[in-house]
Amino acid sequence: AQKVTQAQTEISVVEKEDVTLDCVYETRDTTYYLFWYKQPPSGELVFLIRRNSFDEQNEISGRYSWNFQKSTSSFNFTITASQVVDSAVYFCALSRGSTLGRLYFGRGTQLTVWP
Amino acid sequence: GAVVSQHPSRVICKSGTSVKIECRSLDFQATTMFWYRQFPKQSLMLMATSNEGSKATYEQGVEKDKFLINHASLTLSTLTVTSAHPEDSSFYICSAVPGLAGGVSYEQYFGPGTRLTVT
Repeated sequence: AQKVTQAQTEISVVEKEDVTLDCVYETRDTTYYLFWYKQPPSGELVFLIRRNSFDEQNEISGRYSWNFQKSTSSFNFTITASQVVDSAVYFCALSRGSTLGRLYFGRGTQLTVWP
Repeated sequence: GAVVSQHPSRVICKSGTSVKIECRSLDFQATTMFWYRQFPKQSLMLMATSNEGSKATYEQGVEKDKFLINHASLTLSTLTVTSAHPEDSSFYICSAVPGLAGGVSYEQYFGPGTRLTVT
C-alpha cells in the first residue's frame, strides 16, 4: 500500500525564517514519483516539484529546496527566508510508476508566515 | 501551459437536488481525469478515475449511484452529485492527464476546484 505522512499539521514562523516541511512515504514500488503542491486560501493546487525514484539529487529553485533521501523514505521541503506569501497548505504526494497519475496525498501542513 | 477549468467555481443547492460539475482541459486532450474531494482542513481524497469512453473506476467507499461521472470526450468530464445532502458539502477538485501519441504523460494538471454547499 502507498502512504504519505506529513507529521506537521501546522507550522508558524516569522518572516525571513527558514522552515522545513517533512514528508515520509511508504511504497514497495521501485519506480514511483514524489510531488509537492501548494494550496493557497483560494484552494487551487499549485504544482511545485516532481521527483522520480531514481533521481536522488537535491533540487533548489529560488528560495525552495527539496531533499530526497531514499534511505529514510523522506522528501523534505525547505523554504529559505520565508515570506508572508508563502502562507498556505503544502501537500506531499506520491504516485506509483505503474498507475498513471493517481496521487496519494499526505494530510498537508498548514504554514503560516507572520510579518 | 496546460489549463484545466472547472465550472461552476461555487454552487449552493438545496438538499435533494442534483448538481453537475464540469471539468475541462482547455488546451490538451485528457485521456484520464481524476476527481478528488477535500473536506475543510483535510487532505484530498480520490473519488474516482475517469477514462474517456469507458466507465469510471470508483474508490472504495464512494457511492457510484450518488456521484455520477461521465467522461464523454477527451476534454470534458462531469461529476454529478445526485440527491445532494448537507454532508456532501465539500471542495471538489478535478485533474487531467494529457494523452500523448505513442506514449504516456506523468504530468497532471489540476482544476481550480468547485466549492459545493448543500443547504
